[in-house]
Amino acid sequence: DGGITQSPKYLFRKEGQNVTLSCEQNLNHDAMYWYRQDPGQGLRLIYYSQIVNDFQKGDIAEGYSVSREKKESFPLTVTSAQKNPTAFYLCASSIRRGEQETQYFGPGTRLLVL
Amino acid sequence: GENVEQHPSTLSVQEGDSAVIKCTYSDSASNYFPWYKQELGKRPQLIIDIRSNVGEKKDQRIAVTLNKTAKHFSLHITETQPEDSAVYFCAASLRDSSYKLIFGSGTRLLVRP
Repeated sequence: DGGITQSPKYLFRKEGQNVTLSCEQNLNHDAMYWYRQDPGQGLRLIYYSQIVNDFQKGDIAEGYSVSREKKESFPLTVTSAQKNPTAFYLCASSIRRGEQETQYFGPGTRLLVL
Repeated sequence: GENVEQHPSTLSVQEGDSAVIKCTYSDSASNYFPWYKQELGKRPQLIIDIRSNVGEKKDQRIAVTLNKTAKHFSLHITETQPEDSAVYFCAASLRDSSYKLIFGSGTRLLVRP
């Protein structure tokens, strides 16, 4: 998982502002994922992408958008439509071994609303 | 869709004792079950995983058991140490084209010195 980077480590958002979280991987993984983690809670899937130029909504996609123009990059935009964005955001990528995919996580971005 | 339930939500053990965390899943077609450890403010890290064609897997002090009939799997940590204190998440992989992971809600393990 050392090949997955996220930036920034902390991000502050003002009301009505869109912000973009970066996720990069140099592991040559095909699939990438975005999760949201609220304090004391589990991981909820926001969006995922199995291949370049293709992505699917997860369980809580409303108020978020993504792009996958390059295999290495999967940025997440938190739009002003997301009314409660304060959370810890984790990006993951995965390699397929046999029938399962092992997911490895980046270090996370903590988003706070001013 | 798949649902993963994890118990207990918190677990406190004395150093040297064993700890067991249990998860149940709903989709009988799920075939991959990883366990992650997350220390405070850090990323989840894979500690062990098991496929549906295996009943048990061990890695030093950590073991995972899988009961496909009952649709549950468990994490066993023996000879616990203070550095085992963390939040542990189980997950199950949907056996469809997405290979998404569905996570349990987590267990906060505290190992008392």
